[in-house]
Amino acid sequence: QSALTQPASVSGSPGQSITISCTGTSSDVGGFKYVSWYQQHPGKAPKLMIYEVNNRPSGVSNRFSGSKSGNTASLTISGLQAEDEADYYCSSFTSSSTLVFGGGTKLTVL
Amino acid sequence: EVQLVESGGGLVQPGGSLRLSCAASGFSLSSYDMHWVRQPIGKGLEWVSAIGSAGDPYYPGSVEGRFIISRENAKNSFYLQVNSLRVGDTAVYFCARSTATGAFDIWGPGTMVTVSS
Repeated sequence: QSALTQPASVSGSPGQSITISCTGTSSDVGGFKYVSWYQQHPGKAPKLMIYEVNNRPSGVSNRFSGSKSGNTASLTISGLQAEDEADYYCSSFTSSSTLVFGGGTKLTVL
Repeated sequence: EVQLVESGGGLVQPGGSLRLSCAASGFSLSSYDMHWVRQPIGKGLEWVSAIGSAGDPYYPGSVEGRFIISRENAKNSFYLQVNSLRVGDTAVYFCARSTATGAFDIWGPGTMVTVSS
């Protein structure tokens, strides 16, 4: 199972919106509504930000939203804040009953 | 408080073995699918095993045959036996709880495994 494809880095200024893409295949992202997104600050464990493509866990800011079209899922962060600077990972359930992560995207808030 | 805590990491020679443990508190892990995810320093996340609530194990091809996941509900803990370790297995190993749709909602802080001679 190959890793899902994410851009290595994205950046934006405070207050702006950014979108991170996550591209897979019909055997993972495109085949299921089971895409999740995680935020990871240096030296910390990942934190669940989005599950089942577009659902936010309790306590996650509504500035974070998710969507999916075909084999590509996306995470959008609106109203960028300095604290959003982190690494972001997508993951998907697969047709082999396994899970696969994306390679990760480093978000820089300028 | 709902939490997971890993233990058992350390320095091991190539070809060696380790048993990682993950203790849960604040919830009963018998009702959940539980996972191990690893992350080499400075690199991305890699899912390496899961065990269903019924005890059914799942592995990616990259570790199948070398890693064995198990659970002990009476101790509210689960484990990862890692065998035939390679330098490329060096990573922080996280344990995590997932929802029924594979979203990892609770993570441990991680335990470091270093494979080196």
